[in-house]
Amino acid sequence: GDSVTQMEGPVTLSEEAFLTINCTYTATGYPSLFWYVQYPGEGLQLLLKATKADDKGSNKGFEATYRKETTSFHLEKGSVQVSDSAVYFCALKDNFNKFYFGSGTKLNVKP
Amino acid sequence: DAGITQSPRHKVTETGTPVTLRCHQTENHRYMYWYRQDPGHGLRLIHYSYGVKDTDKGEVSDGYSVSRSKTEDFLLTLESATSSQTSVYFCAISSGLAGDTGELFFGEGSRLTVL
Repeated sequence: GDSVTQMEGPVTLSEEAFLTINCTYTATGYPSLFWYVQYPGEGLQLLLKATKADDKGSNKGFEATYRKETTSFHLEKGSVQVSDSAVYFCALKDNFNKFYFGSGTKLNVKP
Repeated sequence: DAGITQSPRHKVTETGTPVTLRCHQTENHRYMYWYRQDPGHGLRLIHYSYGVKDTDKGEVSDGYSVSRSKTEDFLLTLESATSSQTSVYFCAISSGLAGDTGELFFGEGSRLTVL
């Protein structure tokens, strides 16, 4: 079945450091790919998305590119802030509108 | 914010008792989902619904049943709760319409503890 694998955390960075969180997927069809973020005590909210190969999703300084050849959708940000501390989830939506999530990566950003 | 309400938000129960969690939406979205969130496992799909009375199993459906008699309500039932079902449960909705963002909107979660 379809699945998502993302790097384990926690990831601890200093403010203004470069962030990469790796995500790879397995899918039989043509999925859409997403990054969701979860702040403490809250539900998940959409960070960015890409619906087809080579699409780049971006929001709040975060970016991810849909790479079909490597089945990847890595999340990047050039300069993280303390307020970016959260848990980040990579997800895919299959052709039946089912969503599959990775295990989540906790990001801690220190001042 | 998407209009999704989960109830109860917190529940403590004993092994072997039945439990029902309710998800109510005001967005008239076609798709509704139940996920559980556990440390180290992320979110795992329990069941989802693609319309009134239309449901399908997810990755971890054993021990759970669902019902959707109205567009706005999606119920998750644990017929006989076990300690392994202690978790945070999230309801989510999606319109599924062609051309929309394809985004999932989440409720605030229901924390269930089975003693």
